[in-house]
Amino acid sequence: AQSVAQPEDQVNVAEGNPLTVKCTYSVSGNPYLFWYVQYPNRGLQFLLKYITGDNLVKGSYGFEAEFNKSQTSFHLKKPSALVSDSALYFCAVRASDRNYQLIWGAGTKLIIKP
Amino acid sequence: GAGVSQSPSNKVTEKGKDVELRCDPISGHTALYWYRQSLGQGLEFLIYFQGNSAPDKSGLPSDRFSAERTGGSVSTLTIQRTQQEDSAVYLCASSLSLTGGQGEQYFGPGTRLTVT
Repeated sequence: AQSVAQPEDQVNVAEGNPLTVKCTYSVSGNPYLFWYVQYPNRGLQFLLKYITGDNLVKGSYGFEAEFNKSQTSFHLKKPSALVSDSALYFCAVRASDRNYQLIWGAGTKLIIKP
Repeated sequence: GAGVSQSPSNKVTEKGKDVELRCDPISGHTALYWYRQSLGQGLEFLIYFQGNSAPDKSGLPSDRFSAERTGGSVSTLTIQRTQQEDSAVYLCASSLSLTGGQGEQYFGPGTRLTVT
């Protein structure tokens, strides 16, 4: 079965510390992986994607994510968190059978405390 | 350039009434998606349009829900005989149809529907 897991409902990080938001997936074939962010009362915004190539991909707002094929993971990271990073983060993977469709994780609420 | 727009931003309706939600995708984006997001939850896929192809309606939760896309651009999601469980934020997204599903989706701000 195709799925995306975000094992943490909420992640709390102090401002200035590194942050990691976890994502694991299960699909057949080569995975296309995405991270989106949803700020309060706003629509989702694309952050970054992995299609092929370098396992470390860089995206908007200083975020990066590392694709790990053996662990089927695509964790989102940032070296130094900002209070303004506080938001809801979604991981998604392209479905194997319908390549236009994304399978979404349940989301992780990231709270950055000053 | 202009992003995806949705209207209305908020809609309060009485149970049993019909509602129409509108989405204007980014110009040139041939793919359009509707999702539903309940409070603080993940995204539930509703329907997908691609150019002139038949839409993928597999995510519509009941026959009270329907959607159309006119001229390959604007889309309308209609909910008939609304129920309280229809209360949610309805999100529209559009994307370029890149090979193999590589294209990221661009989301509108959503319509918050409240059924009383």
